[in-house]
Amino acid sequence: QITLKESGPTLVKPTQTLTLTCTFSGFSLSTSGVSVGWIRQPPGKALEWLALIFWDDDKRYSPSLKSRLTIIKDTSKNQVVLTMTNMDPVDTATYYCARSYFNNYFDYWGQGTLVTVSS
Amino acid sequence: DVVMTQSPLSLPVTLGQPASISCRSTQGLVYSDGKTYLNWFQQRPGQSPRRLIYKVSNRDSGVPDRFSGSGSGTDFTLKISRVEAEDVGVYYCMQGTHWPLSFGGGTKVEI
Repeated sequence: QITLKESGPTLVKPTQTLTLTCTFSGFSLSTSGVSVGWIRQPPGKALEWLALIFWDDDKRYSPSLKSRLTIIKDTSKNQVVLTMTNMDPVDTATYYCARSYFNNYFDYWGQGTLVTVSS
Repeated sequence: DVVMTQSPLSLPVTLGQPASISCRSTQGLVYSDGKTYLNWFQQRPGQSPRRLIYKVSNRDSGVPDRFSGSGSGTDFTLKISRVEAEDVGVYYCMQGTHWPLSFGGGTKVEI
């Protein structure tokens, strides 16, 4: 059974750095073809892809947010961590992590975590 | 970047009747391996997205067969043959062929 779960702060202040952790089970991020990505959804709005990390440590980022994002993996802990710097109220959203297998993106999703950016 | 445009934005439906959602991309979605990486997701109220369809027309495990996907090139369609009450929610298309990955704006299906 594949599961993913996001964790991190629910409230951050403007200019702070957000750190989110995706802890997963039921698959290994050392298996060829597997990747884990982050997607966010502002309240009442559409999904937006943020970043992806592959089994071979290749990384991809949304160009519009690339300067603010870092994605890393800890294969031994079955975790993927996303950091986003210089948070702004417009970054208020539910942040999801999701698994992919080769180009078959996002077959399993976490429950999401709502992050509010406010002073 | 590839922009995914869905229509309609809102789709009032009648239980038991068919429904159809359109998704258009600004570039063709055939990958170098010859496959087309176009997915459809369902997001019920208060829930995480769930993938329904991958590679245009392949249903994920557990997805009812009343859902079907079709299309090619830049035009794609999700069809529900007979809408049920549990189908209420927002549907998103997503392309996985070109970087950056991109989602459509969503179509809200309501009874």
